[in-house]
Amino acid sequence: DVKVTQSSRYLVKRTGEKVFLECVQDMDHENMFWYRQDPGLGLRLIYFSYDVKMKEKGDIPEGYSVSREKKERFSLILESASTNQTSMYLCASSLTGSLQPQHFGDGTRLSIL
Amino acid sequence: AQTVTQSQPEMSVQEAETVTLSCTYDTSESDYYLFWYKQPPSRQMILVIRQEAYKQQNATENRFSVNFQKAAKSFSLKISDSQLGDAAMYFCAYRSARYGGATNKLIFGTGTLLAVQP
Repeated sequence: DVKVTQSSRYLVKRTGEKVFLECVQDMDHENMFWYRQDPGLGLRLIYFSYDVKMKEKGDIPEGYSVSREKKERFSLILESASTNQTSMYLCASSLTGSLQPQHFGDGTRLSIL
Repeated sequence: AQTVTQSQPEMSVQEAETVTLSCTYDTSESDYYLFWYKQPPSRQMILVIRQEAYKQQNATENRFSVNFQKAAKSFSLKISDSQLGDAAMYFCAYRSARYGGATNKLIFGTGTLLAVQP
């Protein structure tokens, strides 16, 4: 079974901190995604990566950056955390021929105080 | 811009009964894909079913089937013989069939929370 692993299920940080959310997949998938999930808004794409060191902005990239130095790992970085970034963050992956997410991680519930 | 609307924030069904979740979308494109995703409580989101717009036949996956009405831009999910494990948040999603990076991003609806009563 494909596994997408997010490093933390729950995380509490303070405003202004630099926050790293890590995601690792074990099936050699080319595509990886970071979504943010908020009640009443569904899932919104933050960033998408289709290969190592390759990335594209999604709907809401402001305040975020990403890093993909190795194929299996896709990191989401909050440069200077703010309270409006309190949310559930979902990582996902898929094969090259499948541009929609196939497998999701458990999610990281991030609270910014 | 494409939009996806799920007008039912919550629904409830009795175990073994059938329930239909609604989804409508807006697009000017003729070629696209539609999806239903399931997110159980505290568990990973999974892809339930997928429909290609060029196919007239409705997709089915075991107890899950869709009613795809292209002209009406409607894509409902029917769950037959509901089970307790079907309780989850269900998201409808749209993706353009055109190739090109973020233009292929999924557009999600706001979700429908399904409760299954024993």
